Amino acid sequence: GENVEQHPSTLSVQEGDSAVIKCTYSDSASNYFPWYKQELGKRPQLIIDIRSNVGEKKDQRIAVTLNKTAKHFSLHITETQPEDSAVYFCAASAVYNFNKFYFGSGTKLNVKP
Amino acid sequence: NAGVTQTPKFRVLKTGQSMTLLCAQDMNHEYMYWYRQDPGMGLRLIHYSVGEGTTAKGEVPDGYNVSRLKKQNFLLGLESAAPSQTSVYFCASTRGIPSTEAFFGQGTRLTVV
Repeated sequence: GENVEQHPSTLSVQEGDSAVIKCTYSDSASNYFPWYKQELGKRPQLIIDIRSNVGEKKDQRIAVTLNKTAKHFSLHITETQPEDSAVYFCAASAVYNFNKFYFGSGTKLNVKP
Repeated sequence: NAGVTQTPKFRVLKTGQSMTLLCAQDMNHEYMYWYRQDPGMGLRLIHYSVGEGTTAKGEVPDGYNVSRLKKQNFLLGLESAAPSQTSVYFCASTRGIPSTEAFFGQGTRLTVV
């Protein structure tokens, strides 16, 4: 089955700095890669996603890049704010596998004011 | 729309007791999933369903059973709870094909003593 690895497990940045979280996946058939943000005690919520036919996607301060050859994708957050502090999860899924999401182990991002 | 709703939100069980977690979605989604979330391990798939009347095992199915008698509901059962099943449980649903965002319920915090 698919195996998704995520690094780092914790990340501390100063407000205004950039944050980068990286994930690798093992199944070359995976075609959908979402990123979820989970605040303490809350449900995971989608912040951005990318499909395998796209190399990069941006939404304001958030961007995701995908390298299919190397089987890795990354989340980039620019101009970080204290409200960005949360746990971020990457995931991979494939249509042939009933869109089951395989999640990374999470990155706890702390943005210091 | 309420989205995905889970009941109950919290529960404490004694070892050996049974319980059922209910997930309901009002988005007419075909696919539904049950995940468990443990510290440092991300979300792991327990069981999933690709339509009314269907269920299948995920990564960590032992000790759990599921049923999907109606399209909008997906039930997760613990027949004989064990301390190792102490976790936060999330239900999720997706439209199906093509791969799209998974919507999560608010979670159920289960403690088995």
